[in-house]
Amino acid sequence: KNEVEQSPQNLTAQEGEFITINCSYSVGISALHWLQQHPGGGIVSLFMLSSGKKKHGRLIATINIQEKHSSLHITASHPRDSAVYICAVRSPNSGGGADGLTFGKGTHLIIQP
Amino acid sequence: KAGVTQTPRYLIKTRGQQVTLSCSPISGHRSVSWYQQTPGQGLQFLFEYFSETQRNKGNFPGRFSGRQFSNSRSEMNVSTLELGDSALYLCASRWLGVSSYNSPLHFGNGTRLTVT
Repeated sequence: KNEVEQSPQNLTAQEGEFITINCSYSVGISALHWLQQHPGGGIVSLFMLSSGKKKHGRLIATINIQEKHSSLHITASHPRDSAVYICAVRSPNSGGGADGLTFGKGTHLIIQP
Repeated sequence: KAGVTQTPRYLIKTRGQQVTLSCSPISGHRSVSWYQQTPGQGLQFLFEYFSETQRNKGNFPGRFSGRQFSNSRSEMNVSTLELGDSALYLCASRWLGVSSYNSPLHFGNGTRLTVT
């Protein structure tokens, strides 16, 4: 069973700061997802990664397969970025397929104006 | 294109009752997965269906079950409700080829179940 650890658990920063959220996992994966959840519950998928780096607007996600580690970066942070950010991994299974997602506990980010 | 639709949004049930939640995926998506979110355990995977077949199952008791219909809509059922089943239940759909396992998820807004 994959163990997913996120850090930090809580992060408060000022508008404009560069934000980094980290995710580590214990077992090899087929894909890693970064999700964003706003108050009220809705979840948005930000990135799906299996290698390298992806960028979308002010968001950048990287993954290091050898080190079993991924980071989510937010450049020029804004109060609207305030949300819970969740890392989730999908592991290959012995049947030649892949298991369901295993989630980290989330990082609660607050960006103050 | 319409997003993932979950009904109902809120539900209050009594211990011992059963409940059925519904999820309509994005058109063309044949995979639907279900998740439970609680303050203590966070998000946990329940099960995934693809073309009416359960593809994966998480570590939940048999009281939690699901099914998928030929139009890809899915339902999950929880029987003999317990207080600990109070949670936000989320479903997600994705486009998935027969032999592929990785694609982005599209989540519904969830059903908030309260068991009293």
